[in-house]
Amino acid sequence: DAKTTQPPSMDCAEGRAANLPCNHSTISGNEYVYWYRQIHSQGPQYIIHGLKNNETNEMASLIITEDRKSSTLILPHATLRDTAVYYCIASPDRSNYQLIWGAGTKLIIKP
Amino acid sequence: GAGVSQSPSNKVTEKGKDVELRCDPISGHTALYWYRQSLGQGLEFLIYFQGNSAPDKSGLPSDRFSAERTGGSVSTLTIQRTQQEDSAVYLCASSFSGGAVGELFFGEGSRLTVL
Repeated sequence: DAKTTQPPSMDCAEGRAANLPCNHSTISGNEYVYWYRQIHSQGPQYIIHGLKNNETNEMASLIITEDRKSSTLILPHATLRDTAVYYCIASPDRSNYQLIWGAGTKLIIKP
Repeated sequence: GAGVSQSPSNKVTEKGKDVELRCDPISGHTALYWYRQSLGQGLEFLIYFQGNSAPDKSGLPSDRFSAERTGGSVSTLTIQRTQQEDSAVYLCASSFSGGAVGELFFGEGSRLTVL
């Protein structure tokens, strides 16, 4: 199972784009990259996932490098409500329930 | 309700007591999952139910932990003879289908404190 590496914390100014990096150098060809976030004292919230191609939804964009060894989650216009812990996860064999969760990145949006 | 509902939201118990945590998934979701989260850590998988199939119990840390899902809906996680190291937030999630790519919907969690 691929493990992921994320910086423990990041700051971003309100209104700017927040770019959260994730390394997953041992990811295998059939493993998806998922992103979730967890606002304080709440359950995790799904953001986005992808396999090879870049993905975009109403919350964020996911940029995956061509070699799939790393990815970046982009929040295009960060707000104070985006302050949370962001988890990057690689899923084994298309079975996402045993997602291996690391400690994530604590993103603090500053006014 | 519209989301995954868990109860109790907080539980304080004494070492050696048994506790039951309840999860009510989103209606129509066939897959249900239990996770544990210790302070400042990521989630630790515990158990997974998919429809009428035998559950995947591979994440349960000891035989003091068990879970059941009645009628393919509500689930109860039981911890017998609780220990202080069991203190954590227990999170339940559900999804339309298990074993496939998809979004997990999480509840707010049950915070367990064992004194």
